[in-house]
Amino acid sequence: GAVVSQHPSWVICKSGTSVKIECRSLDFQATTMFWYRQFPKQSLMLMATSNEGSKATYEQGVEKDKFLINHASLTLSTLTVTSAHPEDSSFYICSARTMSNNEQFFGPGTRLTVL
Amino acid sequence: EDQVTQSPEALRLQEGESSSLNCSYTVSGLRGLFWYRQDPGKGPEFLFTLYSAGEEKEKERLKATLTKKESFLHITAPKPEDSATYLCAVQASVRGRGSTLGRLYFGRGTQLTVWP
Repeated sequence: GAVVSQHPSWVICKSGTSVKIECRSLDFQATTMFWYRQFPKQSLMLMATSNEGSKATYEQGVEKDKFLINHASLTLSTLTVTSAHPEDSSFYICSARTMSNNEQFFGPGTRLTVL
Repeated sequence: EDQVTQSPEALRLQEGESSSLNCSYTVSGLRGLFWYRQDPGKGPEFLFTLYSAGEEKEKERLKATLTKKESFLHITAPKPEDSATYLCAVQASVRGRGSTLGRLYFGRGTQLTVWP
C-alpha cells in the first residue's frame, strides 16, 4: 500500500516551453501533497504544499507564477513549470500525506532537463 | 528555527560491520520523526515514523530509536544492498514563522556504502 506515482519519469524540453508533471496517490486519498526539488548530492527542498480544492502554499523564494500547482482531486496533483529555463533543470519529487496516520510517501521523481 | 542535522555525512562499512547513523533535531514540538532511504535517481522510500521519546521500530536489519533530542538508525550486519542515502526528517506540531504546518524538515542525509 501507500504507492505514489509520477509521470513522466524524465523529460527534456526546449527553453521557453512549459512542462507538466503529474503526481498520483494510487491506493490512498491524500488531501495534502508536497512538491520538492533536489539538486545533485543535496537534500530535498520543499517548493510548495498542495491542498485539495484550494490554492497551494509556496515556500519563500519559490515563484508561484512559474511553478503552477493544481490539486483537483484527492489522488492527483500537478506541477507545471512555465517558460522553463536551463536553471530549472532538476529532479522534481512529489509526496502525498495519508489522512490516517500523517505519514508521507514519495513518488519516484521526475528528471527535468531544459536545453 | 527548526533544524535537522545528520551525521556522519558519509559512512563506509564492510559487509557485516554494524553501525549507527545519527539524526539530531531542534523543533517546536515534535509531531513525528521520519526515516527514509533514497537510492540514486529515485524518490525517498519510507522506512519508519517515530512519535515519542523511547519509541523503537525495527525492519529487517534496521532499527530506529528516538530520544528528545536525536534519533539513531542502527544497521545490524549490513549487506551491500543496504547501500543508499538515509534521510531523516522531522515534522513540527507547531507552525514555525513563515513555514507550513505539517511540512517535513529534512537533514542532508548520510550516504552509506557497504562493500563486500
